[in-house]
Amino acid sequence: NAGVTQTPKFQVLKTGQSMTLQCAQDMNHEYMSWYRQDPGMGLRLIHYSVGAGITDQGEVPNGYNVSRSTTEDFPLRLLSAAPSQTSVYFCAASKTSGPYEQYFGPGTRLTVT
Amino acid sequence: AQSVSQHNHHVILSEAASLELGCNYSYGGTVNLFWYVQYPGQHLQLLLKYFSGDPLVKGIKGFEAEFIKSKFSFNLRKPSVQWSDTAEYFCAVMPATGRRALTFGSGTRLQVQP
Repeated sequence: NAGVTQTPKFQVLKTGQSMTLQCAQDMNHEYMSWYRQDPGMGLRLIHYSVGAGITDQGEVPNGYNVSRSTTEDFPLRLLSAAPSQTSVYFCAASKTSGPYEQYFGPGTRLTVT
Repeated sequence: AQSVSQHNHHVILSEAASLELGCNYSYGGTVNLFWYVQYPGQHLQLLLKYFSGDPLVKGIKGFEAEFIKSKFSFNLRKPSVQWSDTAEYFCAVMPATGRRALTFGSGTRLQVQP
């Protein structure tokens, strides 16, 4: 049982490039979300999904796109990378009923030059 | 929308000292409250959570927190810290109904000196 996995662990992009951050979970949790962590700002919600085919915006969605075709996977796409998107990205998964503990992945450190 | 304030940004303690980290939230309804810890180079792990019932909750590694509804506070405590407690600590709030999204505080970096 791996929990929540994220790939890659590190990535460097040039401004304007696009890429997809991968997130997968094997806990069969309905709820998945993406956060970005910046120094002094805690974690901020980018996008979230309450189940396959359902996604919605969080606090800082601009410049990011998501889709949820399966329960297990929730990729985050950067459409045209900007230096302001340099951050550490965390994916999380939780149930939508009962205990609402969110389980976090190990993170992806992204640098945009 | 909810918000979370953590007033201590950087705390330095000696081993065996007592710890209290402040957390205040702003939200008009019922909330679930969490403390997460992030050890250097690692991902977030849940320390403890409050959903309902006894406002004093105990978590892992000897941590506890008290929910004081009248003060909108959920302070984290530990009677005697260890060097291994060096980490960043995040308070988070989630509305009890509606979107299951966590709102985090800005974090408190705890440094425990041996």
